[in-house]
Amino acid sequence: LAKTTQPISMDSYEGQEVNITCSHNNIATNDYITWYQQFPSQGPRFIIQGYKTKVTNEVASLFIPADRKSSTLSLPRVSLSDTAVYYCLVGENTGGFKTIFGAGTRLFVKA
Amino acid sequence: GAVVSQHPSWVICKSGTSVKIECRSLDFQATTMFWYRQFPKQSLMLMATSNEGSKATYEQGVEKDKFLINHASLTLSTLTVTSAHPEDSSFYICSASRRGSYEQYFGPGTRLTVT
Repeated sequence: LAKTTQPISMDSYEGQEVNITCSHNNIATNDYITWYQQFPSQGPRFIIQGYKTKVTNEVASLFIPADRKSSTLSLPRVSLSDTAVYYCLVGENTGGFKTIFGAGTRLFVKA
Repeated sequence: GAVVSQHPSWVICKSGTSVKIECRSLDFQATTMFWYRQFPKQSLMLMATSNEGSKATYEQGVEKDKFLINHASLTLSTLTVTSAHPEDSSFYICSASRRGSYEQYFGPGTRLTVT
């Protein structure tokens, strides 16, 4: 399983765009990149997943360069409720693939 | 859709007793379920992977005789912490995935406190 590296923490202000980058230098051909959000004392929540280029959904965008050795989660116009820990995971896109969580990034959104 | 529940949401038990935590997929069939443990301010640590009808696969360093996992049906997996000790106090989270889907659906977690 490819190891991921993320910044430990980030600060932002309401209304700003936040970009969290994840490094995964050993990503394998069959690996997908998935991001989860976790609030204190809750289970993680799926945000977005991608394989290459750009993926966008109603809550975030995911940018993946051609070499796929990194990815960037982009949160547009964050609010206080986006304060959470964000995890980047890399693994095969098959049902039930083993998931290893890295340290995650603690995002603090200030008023 | 794709809701996973856990029961209980929190439990306090005395040292030496056993505690069972249930994980249920409410609206889908979970071919694979995962169990994680999370200590305060730390990331999730995968404990074991369980496929319906077969024995769980434990991660290195996780005692299978202490953390008994049963995945008897496509909607239910249980984790039993046997002879619990204070160091087993943690937040236990399960997740479930269905065949052909990349997404894991996480339960709300169970807070275990061993006194």
